[in-house]
Amino acid sequence: NAGVTQTPKFQVLKTGQSMTLQCAQDMNHEYMSWYRQDPGMGLRLIHYSVGAGITDQGEVPNGYNVSRSTTEDFPLRLLSAAPSQTSVYFCASSYGLQGAGETQYFGPGTRLLVL
Amino acid sequence: GDSVTQMEGPVTLSEEAFLTINCTYTATGYPSLFWYVQYPGEGLQLLLKATKADDKGSNKGFEATYRKETTSFHLEKGSVQVSDSAVYFCALSDGSGYSTLTFGKGTMLLVSP
Repeated sequence: NAGVTQTPKFQVLKTGQSMTLQCAQDMNHEYMSWYRQDPGMGLRLIHYSVGAGITDQGEVPNGYNVSRSTTEDFPLRLLSAAPSQTSVYFCASSYGLQGAGETQYFGPGTRLLVL
Repeated sequence: GDSVTQMEGPVTLSEEAFLTINCTYTATGYPSLFWYVQYPGEGLQLLLKATKADDKGSNKGFEATYRKETTSFHLEKGSVQVSDSAVYFCALSDGSGYSTLTFGKGTMLLVSP
C-alpha cells in the first residue's frame, strides 16, 4: 500500500498561472479532502468528496476547483494562481464517511509558491 | 461553529521532562477528538484519538483523556525524547457530519538532549 500520494512535492507558479495538484489513494477510501496549511493557522479545509462524482466546499474554497471521477483520485485545480495561495497543501482520505472516530490518512504535502 | 484552541508554542523541554499540551474545544453534538503529529518535512499522522467522553487515547507513551465537563483533550507524556520534536495538532470531528476535521493551530515541541 502506497497510502496517500501527492504530486508534485514542490511547485513555483507565477500569478495568473493554472495548475493541478494531484492526489491518489490506494486504500479504497470513500472520503477524500484537501487542506491548506499556513503558519499560525493550522489546517483549513478547502474541498472534500464523499465518493466518486460527489464534492462539496469546505472552509476556504475560493480559487480552487475539484472533481472526483474515480474513487482513487482527487485532484485540486488552481485556475488562476494568486500569491495568497502560497501554502502547503495536504490531501487526506478516510474509509468511512461519518465523522465519529474515523482516522484520516494524510499525504506528504505539496509546497506551493506563487510569485 | 466548531473550534479547537491549543496552547501556543514553541514548547521547549529537555529530554526526559514531562510534557503537557493543552487543548480545549467547542462543538455541537458529540465530537470525536484527535491528536495528529507532524514531523519536520512530513505530512500529518494520527497519534491518538478518543471517540466518547472519559475515553483515554494512548500511543507511543502519549496519552489524552476526553473530558466532556471541561471540553478538553490535553496531551501528556511522562518522559519526552529528542525524537518527539514535532508539531502537534489537536482536532475534532463533529459526529453529526462527514469526516471533516477541525484543527487547532498546532503546537511546536522542541526537545533538547
